Amino acid sequence: QKEVEQDPGPLSVPEGAIVSLNCTYSNSAFQYFMWYRQYSRKGPELLMYTYSSGNKEDGRFTAQVDKSSKYISLFIRDSQPSDSATYLCAMSVGDYKLSFGAGTTVTVRA
Amino acid sequence: DADVTQTPRNRITKTGKRIMLECSQTKGHDRMYWYRQDPGLGLRLIYYSFDVKDINKGEISDGYSVSRQAQAKFSLSLESAIPNQTALYFCATSDPDRFNEQFFGPGTRLTVL
Repeated sequence: QKEVEQDPGPLSVPEGAIVSLNCTYSNSAFQYFMWYRQYSRKGPELLMYTYSSGNKEDGRFTAQVDKSSKYISLFIRDSQPSDSATYLCAMSVGDYKLSFGAGTTVTVRA
Repeated sequence: DADVTQTPRNRITKTGKRIMLECSQTKGHDRMYWYRQDPGLGLRLIYYSFDVKDINKGEISDGYSVSRQAQAKFSLSLESAIPNQTALYFCATSDPDRFNEQFFGPGTRLTVL
């Protein structure tokens, strides 16, 4: 069983819709939870980072962490075609090692 | 200019050949990493280096070797390439105080025939 599970999709939504992405994990020692965005033919870039449980909002993006359920989510409000990318969740116990999900490919249709 | 660069961007090689992938960075970070990305498996760590003299194996180092020539340069070698090493390879860097944020290069798409 993988340490981090993420549905690869693909996910296709119309412009303006809410995109909901999630990951589950098995390692209860994870304390840091990240979302990376990867455009086609590019390397991943950090989108959001959350420590422990709770919510974090940054513009149209909201990250949620529920450690009791070992479940994290990313919501994108008012989605735009420029949000079309692969979204990777990543987790860490607090050191250099990041455990990544497989990534979910999102397409926002104009 | 890109902060993390990788060469080549694409490479096709044959089974048994030795190949080197190169990474350079201008971010001034001590920590550098090599990952491979496969569909359905995500990013997996091959090797990492905390400084020029500190190099460590990641979770999938078999069949790979690395060299840290300078703070800014970290190379990955496949001594004898095999088809299941066909993948997208990424180099990344990070600041030791901000390990959550790794800065990735654009990737090298490697095909082993």
